[in-house]
Amino acid sequence: GENVEQHPSTLSVQEGDSAVIKCTYSDSASNYFPWYKQELGKRPQLIIDIRSNVGEKKDQRIAVTLNKTAKHFSLHITETQPEDSAVYFCAASSTFIFGSGTRLSVKP
Amino acid sequence: DTGVSQDPRHKITKRGQNVTFRCDPISEHNRLYWYRQTLGQGPEFLTYFQNEAQLEKSRLLSDRFSAERPKGSFSTLEIQRTEQGDSAMYLCASSLAGQPQHFGDGTRLSIL
Repeated sequence: GENVEQHPSTLSVQEGDSAVIKCTYSDSASNYFPWYKQELGKRPQLIIDIRSNVGEKKDQRIAVTLNKTAKHFSLHITETQPEDSAVYFCAASSTFIFGSGTRLSVKP
Repeated sequence: DTGVSQDPRHKITKRGQNVTFRCDPISEHNRLYWYRQTLGQGPEFLTYFQNEAQLEKSRLLSDRFSAERPKGSFSTLEIQRTEQGDSAMYLCASSLAGQPQHFGDGTRLSIL
């Protein structure tokens, strides 16, 4: 069945630095890849998504890249801010299998 | 648009009791999903509906779990004969087909 692996599990950066989180998936039929941000005690919220017909998508400080051949996709956050601190989850579409999450800490 | 709402927010019960949770999706969304999330983990898929039809159910899902969406609107998730290991946050999400999922705040279940 589908499997989604996410790395790293924790990531600590200084404010203003960039952060990169990577996911790999197993089901080549997956064609939709969302990223969610979850703050402590709150619901997961969609921050960006990408479909398989494009290789990159950007929204202000957040970007996602997709390599369908290698079956991996990445979240890039530039100019990180303390309010970016949260757990980030990737997912692959076929049955919405989520990665295990990355806890991002941005130090002021 | 009031978003996805779940009830109750918290449920504490004794082991062996049955519990039922409710999810009200965003009104125009035809898909509804149930997930379970434990601390430090990503949401684990349980089941999903398109309208009133239950289209997929996780193979890992115990037969003590059952979900319904009788009129294609709200959904209920029932857990029978609860066990300690059922303690988790139960998340509901809804979407239109092929569109992003919108999550509710979840129901936190604690088994004593």
